Amino acid sequence: DSGVTQTPKHLITATGQRVTLRCSPRSGDLSVYWYQQSLDQGLQFLIQYYNGEERAKGNILERFSAQQFPDLHSELNLSSLELGDSALYFCASSGKPGLNTEAFFGQGTRLTVV
Amino acid sequence: AQSVAQPEDQVNVAEGNPLTVKCTYSVSGNPYLFWYVQYPNRGLQFLLKYITGDNLVKGSYGFEAEFNKSQTSFHLKKPSALVSDSALYFCAVRDSSGSARQLTFGSGTQLTVLP
Repeated sequence: DSGVTQTPKHLITATGQRVTLRCSPRSGDLSVYWYQQSLDQGLQFLIQYYNGEERAKGNILERFSAQQFPDLHSELNLSSLELGDSALYFCASSGKPGLNTEAFFGQGTRLTVV
Repeated sequence: AQSVAQPEDQVNVAEGNPLTVKCTYSVSGNPYLFWYVQYPNRGLQFLLKYITGDNLVKGSYGFEAEFNKSQTSFHLKKPSALVSDSALYFCAVRDSSGSARQLTFGSGTQLTVLP
């Protein structure tokens, strides 16, 4: 158990809908990262937050947004969903945003868009 | 920009034999390298990391990795493979230059250990 909790584990929704994925980082970790894992794109970095503020942005679509709350949990919002958004979405957390700090991953949310 | 290549999609090895999963990287500054393992329907688990110092890094579950700066490689190794090592393995890198702090992952290598 990594200590990173993601909910829900599975989500099935229709095209055009909006969903929210939730992540609770390890106790004390200030950084939260979101990744998307799909068969054709591999593991893609979406966005990072550190202590409530956006730190880095990757290949995140404009239809997607995220935030980190004062209690450090994070939410990833996906809207106007398309079939191609079906993927496994991972949250990871780490302590100080140092170069030598490994990230710890949650078990992921499997999103299926039908 | 930082990048990682895992040239083999699939590696098969017999139980008890040594295994190697290959990784090469590209960065502008100094590399910080990581290996993760993913079991079916699970998240990624951290195995080991290279920061500085010894080129041979030891990690969890008997795995080790060899850093080679001239070949820009960071291959994962284990002297004697177990069937339970069968999983998807990811190499990742952080670049010391620039402001990016996220891990960039390779495409993954599926390791199958045959009994």
